[in-house]
Amino acid sequence: DQQVKQNSPSLSVQEGRISILNCDYTNSMFDYFLWYKKYPAEGPTFLISISSIKDKNEDGRFTVFLNKSAKHLSLHIVPSQPGDSAVYFCAATDGGATNKLIFGTGTLLAVQP
Amino acid sequence: NAGVTQTPKFQVLKTGQSMTLQCAQDMNHNSMYWYRQDPGMGLRLIYYSASEGTTDKGEVPNGYNVSRLNKREFSLRLESAAPSQTSVYFCASSARQGFGYGYTFGSGTRLTVV
Repeated sequence: DQQVKQNSPSLSVQEGRISILNCDYTNSMFDYFLWYKKYPAEGPTFLISISSIKDKNEDGRFTVFLNKSAKHLSLHIVPSQPGDSAVYFCAATDGGATNKLIFGTGTLLAVQP
Repeated sequence: NAGVTQTPKFQVLKTGQSMTLQCAQDMNHNSMYWYRQDPGMGLRLIYYSASEGTTDKGEVPNGYNVSRLNKREFSLRLESAAPSQTSVYFCASSARQGFGYGYTFGSGTRLTVV
């Protein structure tokens, strides 16, 4: 039972264009969402997060949008750069005492020069 | 500025062998976690330790045991390795308070069981 789903295993985008990565969740108790970026042979690194009390959070070229009613969030990268090519994981937590993160399956983004 | 350190980076085991994956963090984080990454499955939580002295099962704990040795160290043990445990294992840590930065991950251990 996948509580966090990333339905697109891969995405290819031209340099300079917008990349949109999508994530859906099923657990209405989730109240904090994060995106991680992972390069080959490295551990995931934190990218950006959003609390359920917000619908948008920006950090430079990265923006995360949250639609609670649809249980959907998306990560926008504008403009996309070749160095953005990586696997992106969406993650969610209910913020309980354990701070457990539930991860999606990941989307491989390829930014073509 | 080591962050989370995992050893070894690579390991090949024969079916039935045992081994321990080591993890240490130097950020004074309270919580530590073990995940495995498999193709098409994302990152799945094996075990976690919310604070020193406590451990709990995650989504896929079967075949594994853990030890929170102290605040810094959290080890994962495979008592009798099986080919289904071939995976990349990641250790992570997080501060108890707040969610602003989520987890800090180690660079992973690539384990092959033949």
